[in-house]
Amino acid sequence: AQKVTQAQTEISVVEKEDVTLDCVYETRDTTYYLFWYKQPPSGELVFLIRRNSFDEQNEISGRYSWNFQKSTSSFNFTITASQVVDSAVYFCALSDRTSYDKVIFGPGTSLSVIP
Amino acid sequence: EAGVAQSPRYKIIEKRQSVAFWCNPISGHATLYWYQQILGQGPKLLIQFQNNGVVDDSQLPKDRFSAERLKGVDSTLKIQPAKLEDSAVYLCASSLGADRYYEQYFGPGTRLTVT
Repeated sequence: AQKVTQAQTEISVVEKEDVTLDCVYETRDTTYYLFWYKQPPSGELVFLIRRNSFDEQNEISGRYSWNFQKSTSSFNFTITASQVVDSAVYFCALSDRTSYDKVIFGPGTSLSVIP
Repeated sequence: EAGVAQSPRYKIIEKRQSVAFWCNPISGHATLYWYQQILGQGPKLLIQFQNNGVVDDSQLPKDRFSAERLKGVDSTLKIQPAKLEDSAVYLCASSLGADRYYEQYFGPGTRLTVT
């Protein structure tokens, strides 16, 4: 069955610290997509990244970076030099053929960046 | 470009009452989704429309929930009668296409409290 696990329920860091949000997924498909979304207090989910299962290259976008490792079924997200505006709930998500392309969201990790 | 619009933003009703939510997707987006997000959990897909047709409603509690997208643009989601466990945020999202390749854009959500 498809499943996304985000073991960290809540994380607090002091501004300018680096923080890594963990994501572990389960799927039997060889073709799938992984996503990260950010949900600030305003409530809207904001798309951050999409990665397909054939592309294991790590990606960096400004202060954000993502580490995709198929061997451990993980897709971790690191924020470098965190800022107060990074405070939000972050969701990792999975979409595969077995789920008929539905996006399955993890439970989310609430990040608080303290000034 | 205007984002996904939803109304109302908040709604409080008593159990067994009816409620309706409205969503207007981004112009030109053929695919529209309704998600239910219970506090502390990730969003769960309720129904997906492609233009005015239903693509997936496997997780919609059809005995009490209904949704329509008559002209392939805006959509309404109705709950009748509401139960206490329906208390959640109802998120609407849209995308250019139904394929998981397309990123989904989310609205601000409607926070429903059933007392």
